[in-house]
Amino acid sequence: ILNVEQSPQSLHVQEGDSTNFTCSFPSSNFYALHWYRWETAKSPEALFVMTLNGDEKKKGRISATLNTKEGYSYLYIKGSQPEDSATYLCAFIRYNFNKFYFGSGTKLNVKP
Amino acid sequence: EPEVTQTPSHQVTQMGQEVILRCVPISNHLYFYWYRQILGQKVEFLVSFYNNEISEKSEIFDDQFSVERPDGSNFTLKIRSTKLEDSAMYFCATAGLAGPLDEQFFGPGTRLTVL
Repeated sequence: ILNVEQSPQSLHVQEGDSTNFTCSFPSSNFYALHWYRWETAKSPEALFVMTLNGDEKKKGRISATLNTKEGYSYLYIKGSQPEDSATYLCAFIRYNFNKFYFGSGTKLNVKP
Repeated sequence: EPEVTQTPSHQVTQMGQEVILRCVPISNHLYFYWYRQILGQKVEFLVSFYNNEISEKSEIFDDQFSVERPDGSNFTLKIRSTKLEDSAMYFCATAGLAGPLDEQFFGPGTRLTVL
């Protein structure tokens, strides 16, 4: 069974705090890792698609890094805002397969 | 902005009945996916579809499930004989040319309740 783990499960921060969370995945047969932002009562929204070891991607205050050799990716949010409150999901894709394995998500709550 | 749409938003059915969940992908997308999330659990991959055929399916996607693109626009998921444990939120997602290396766009989901 292929396991994708995310930590922490939930996180409560104050507005303005910077935060980060982790997605761990198998280090063999890596193809791609997707990050999503999922607000309550909406559907997941793509943030990043990461493919190369050492990749670093950025979108506004959110950035992500990728280490395929050790099997983890970090998502960083700089200066969290209440509108960043959401569940952040990662999904791993194995080489040569068009099949996505999701983590359980990290639920972020940013207090004003 | 183009978006993926799904109908119905909520479907209630009796155990043993057939249901068809519908998805309209973004028009130039080529890769299509169905996922489900049972309440409190992880999002689970069901099936991927490309070039009018299934490219991958999960262990969940047994003979009770089927997908098709009947008219070149809709992408449907059929469950032949629903079970209580099929109650879940079902999401359709679509992607462009690069498939699994492309951003996925999710529909709003169909909540299926099996009684």
